[in-house]
Amino acid sequence: GQSLEQPSEVTAVEGAIVQINCTYQTSGFYGLSWYQQHDGGAPTFLSYNGLDGLEETGRFSSFLSRSDSYGYLLLQELQMKDSASYFCAYSGNTPLVFGKGTRLSVIA
Amino acid sequence: DGGITQSPKYLFRKEGQNVTLSCEQNLNHDAMYWYRQDPGQGLRLIYYSQIVNDFQKGDIAEGYSVSREKKESFPLTVTSAQKNPTAFYLCASSSGGPGLGGYTFGSGTRLTVV
Repeated sequence: GQSLEQPSEVTAVEGAIVQINCTYQTSGFYGLSWYQQHDGGAPTFLSYNGLDGLEETGRFSSFLSRSDSYGYLLLQELQMKDSASYFCAYSGNTPLVFGKGTRLSVIA
Repeated sequence: DGGITQSPKYLFRKEGQNVTLSCEQNLNHDAMYWYRQDPGQGLRLIYYSQIVNDFQKGDIAEGYSVSREKKESFPLTVTSAQKNPTAFYLCASSSGGPGLGGYTFGSGTRLTVV
């Protein structure tokens, strides 16, 4: 079957660093994507890892290890506006399959 | 600016009624998708279309129907056969194949059965 596992909730302090992990089980794997969704809003694309290693985009970085079927999203210098849900999604030979999301709460 | 427009933002349906959710994109994307989002459930695929006049069922297609008569438009009909339609519905599009990611999402339609 196809599945992704990520923590349901994470809380972190403003200015800190937080890591959201994602493990997956699938076949025909192309890569791992991350999306951000604020309450009531549309998911927005953050990053994509097609190869092993780290991809950096400003304060956000994403990592993939195909051998471990594992990836993570790293958010640095957390801001209050980063409070949102974060979804990992795998790309395969079908449309994106999403995890259930991790709700990040940034506290002062 | 290019994007995806979903309408209406909020929709109320009576038991036994069919309702149609609109999705229009001006990104010139070939592929379009419909996802359903329930609290704590993430996004689940209902239908997708890679080209005009062609579409495929997703994981939860029962009780839903779609059409793709134009590249820009991919409406979703929630039929009376869908027993639990209350949810947040998201339309998305992509320029590459369905498995390549980089989806652009609309702002969603929140459907409530009354």
